[in-house]
Amino acid sequence: KNQVEQSPQSLIILEGKNCTLQCNYTVSPFSNLRWYKQDTGRGPVSLTIMTFSENTKSNGRYTATLDADTKQSSLHITASQLSDSASYICVVSEETSYDKVIFGPGTSLSVIP
Amino acid sequence: GAVVSQHPSWVICKSGTSVKIECRSLDFQATTMFWYRQFPKQSLMLMATSNEGSKATYEQGVEKDKFLINHASLTLSTLTVTSAHPEDSSFYICSAKDSGAHQPQHFGDGTRLSIL
Repeated sequence: KNQVEQSPQSLIILEGKNCTLQCNYTVSPFSNLRWYKQDTGRGPVSLTIMTFSENTKSNGRYTATLDADTKQSSLHITASQLSDSASYICVVSEETSYDKVIFGPGTSLSVIP
Repeated sequence: GAVVSQHPSWVICKSGTSVKIECRSLDFQATTMFWYRQFPKQSLMLMATSNEGSKATYEQGVEKDKFLINHASLTLSTLTVTSAHPEDSSFYICSAKDSGAHQPQHFGDGTRLSIL
């Protein structure tokens, strides 16, 4: 069964600190993996997208890594800001004709002053 | 970047009312649109996939007569919650994607539906 798991479920960090969120998946055949940020009461916004051949991708203070062999991904946030408080969702696409996606349960991040 | 507009953002109505939610792709043609439902502190749950000009494909357990989907153009899909009841109260989010491999889904900002 295709699944996406994320850890931790929730995380509280001090402003300015770094953190790393984890994503494990069993989706096959694999197409790509995306990290989304969802602010409370808003729709998800794409942060990064990685295909099978990509190991790392950065978007400002966000850096995502992908290990396609172990089927793991991480999202590293550097120098966290209060505005980083949100839910971070790992989404893995299945290689089908309509690009079916499987959502992880998300990690709730709270950045406190 | 690709923008998806969802309207209304918040609606409160009486039980038994039908509610229509619009999802528009503003700067690209969306061959496929998706409708999701999200409960508090949970991830998005796919309700249906909508392709322009054809009938929507509903996920198991989603009543197609309850949640009517129309994707009449490449930039507009609508979700109508018919005869809404309090248990239909939720956060509904649409997304849209262009054709081709590896195209990402672009999400709307969601509609908070509250049925009294």
